Order: sequence, then C-alpha cells, then structure tokens
Amino acid sequence: AQSVTQPDIHITVSEGASLELRCNYSYGATPYLFWYVQSPGQGLQLLLKYFSGDTLVQGIKGFEAEFKRSQSSFNLRKPSVHWSDAAEYFCAVGISPNMLTFGGGTRLMVKP
Amino acid sequence: DTAVSQTPKYLVTQMGNDKSIKCEQNLGHDTMYWYKQDSKKFLKIMFSYNNKELIINETVPNRFSPKSPDKAHLNLHINSLELGDSAVYFCASSHQTGSGNTIYFGEGSWLTVV
Repeated sequence: AQSVTQPDIHITVSEGASLELRCNYSYGATPYLFWYVQSPGQGLQLLLKYFSGDTLVQGIKGFEAEFKRSQSSFNLRKPSVHWSDAAEYFCAVGISPNMLTFGGGTRLMVKP
Repeated sequence: DTAVSQTPKYLVTQMGNDKSIKCEQNLGHDTMYWYKQDSKKFLKIMFSYNNKELIINETVPNRFSPKSPDKAHLNLHINSLELGDSAVYFCASSHQTGSGNTIYFGEGSWLTVV
C-alpha cells in the first residue's frame, strides 16, 4: 500500500524567506501527487498536482513542486513567503486520483 | 458560488445522539467522498460514491451511513455518536475517470461530541 511522509511537523520561516516543505512517498510506480493547503478553520485548497510530464509543476499563490523519482519525493517550494501563507500543508499521493493517501501535514508559521 | 458545500459547519452534540451532515457539489462531478480529519490533523478517506453507488468503504463503524440521493449530493448520517467521533468531516468530489482529475474539498464540518 502506498504511504506518504511529511517529515516536518512544524516549520517557521521569516516573511520574505524561501520555503521548502518535504514530502516523501512509498509506492512501486509513479503515483498521482498533490499538495493541498488548509488555512485555520478552513477547508482544503489544491495548490498543485503532478500526474505526468514535466517534473516541475507550478501552482497557485506562487508555489511550485518538483517530482524526483529517484528520491520518491515531491517537495513544495516558494521563493518568498508571505504572512498569509501561514497554514497547514498536506501532501497527498494516490494510485488513482480518486483514492488519496494524505501525509500528516506540515504547519507553516511565518515570522514578521 | 461554492463548488462543494457542506452543512452544518459547526455541530456540537451529546453522546448517543444521531446527526447528519449534508453535502452538495455543483461541479458536475460523478464521484463524491467523505474524509475524516482527526485531532492530529490526520486525513483519511471514509467513503466514496460514484453515480450514487458505493465504491470505497474504508474501515468505518456501521454507525456511519452515507446516503447519496443523486450524483450531486452525499450526506453522512451518524448514529449513537461517541466522543471519538469528534473530528472535522470533509466532503469532496471529483470526476471518476479521465486524466487530470482533482478532488475538490468542501470547507469541512467541525463535529464535537460532548
């Protein structure tokens, strides 16, 4: 069965600094890969997804993620963090888009 | 317009009660889901329906009974609520087949059992 790990439970960065959130998955083939964001008291919003093709995918709000097959990783990056980016970020993988397994989430805090 | 809407957003109820959470999507999707997010933020799928038929039923107590009157609605009924049922329940929807499918989530229903 597939699994997904987000090694960092909490991350704090200064506003304007760059950000990288890690995501590692375990699955025999290339799964579908997603990043979702959950703001406090809100639902899940899709940031970006990878199904095939270019391994660097662009998402909303200035986020991007890079799929690295050799490392079984799909890390999320942003060059300059804004205070409004403070939220919980979830990586999700699936052998089909309809059956997702979520990581435990990474809480991002942004220092002024 | 909200794509996936669920009601109520907040629900506080006593142990032993029966409650329902409603969900509707206006995206024209044929597949709907219920996910549960526990107090540690861990998200896990509970059910999935495609064209009103159950296709995924994870290990969930039979006190939880989903009902899909049509493709646009998937309601969750919970009998004999227990303290451990306290969680955030997310409804979601997607297309079943085809590439580029994305699961769209509602804003969640915060259930607290006291």
